[in-house]
Amino acid sequence: GAGVSQSPRYKVAKRGQDVALRCDPISGHVSLFWYQQALGQGPEFLTYFQNEAQLDKSGLPSDRFFAERPEGSVSTLKIQRTQQEDSAVYLCASSWGLGGDEQYFGPGTRLTVT
Amino acid sequence: QKEVEQNSGPLSVPEGAIASLNCTYSDRGSQSFFWYRQYSGKSPELIMSIYSNGDKEDGRFTAQLNKASQYVSLLIRDSQPSDSATYLCAVKGGEYGNKLVFGAGTILRVKS
Repeated sequence: GAGVSQSPRYKVAKRGQDVALRCDPISGHVSLFWYQQALGQGPEFLTYFQNEAQLDKSGLPSDRFFAERPEGSVSTLKIQRTQQEDSAVYLCASSWGLGGDEQYFGPGTRLTVT
Repeated sequence: QKEVEQNSGPLSVPEGAIASLNCTYSDRGSQSFFWYRQYSGKSPELIMSIYSNGDKEDGRFTAQLNKASQYVSLLIRDSQPSDSATYLCAVKGGEYGNKLVFGAGTILRVKS
């Protein structure tokens, strides 16, 4: 079946612009996670949804970052007033169970802030 | 001390050899352990999961877990050039809850 999809795959934003990154999880997956990956590092957790409930947003680096999953399926990660340090790959992952279990990643969105 | 530690490498092995990748973690309450493979410019791909002490084999891959030593390893038998990638160790559970905590990854190079 279809895997996790993300759009756009690449985004260039000027410093100060707002961006919205979309994630479409595997059909039927209850849990959805956002991670940020800097070059040469492992992914770092940003936030977690179980259905439409955002259960953990402890990894969001500032109040410029906001995520939602209003109908328990597609999720959007929004970054307001982008800064150069926001440049990274943003990865979305989904898993079947309520506890998370095995997480499957989408292709990621590479954000470059100029 | 980092929460999940891996040797950054690169680890170079000849084609056909066994590649051994290691990972240590700090939270004794961790319950689930994963190995992801990441090719350059691509996203992480799950290759192994392990939840209890001992070995788990899947094709050419064997994951080993020792909770007492807080140690996870991945063995790749009959290494192929297509195995050349970064291997990420990830840990879940305990104080981490449902999120994955990743190491920085080990670069593996298989030389033909």
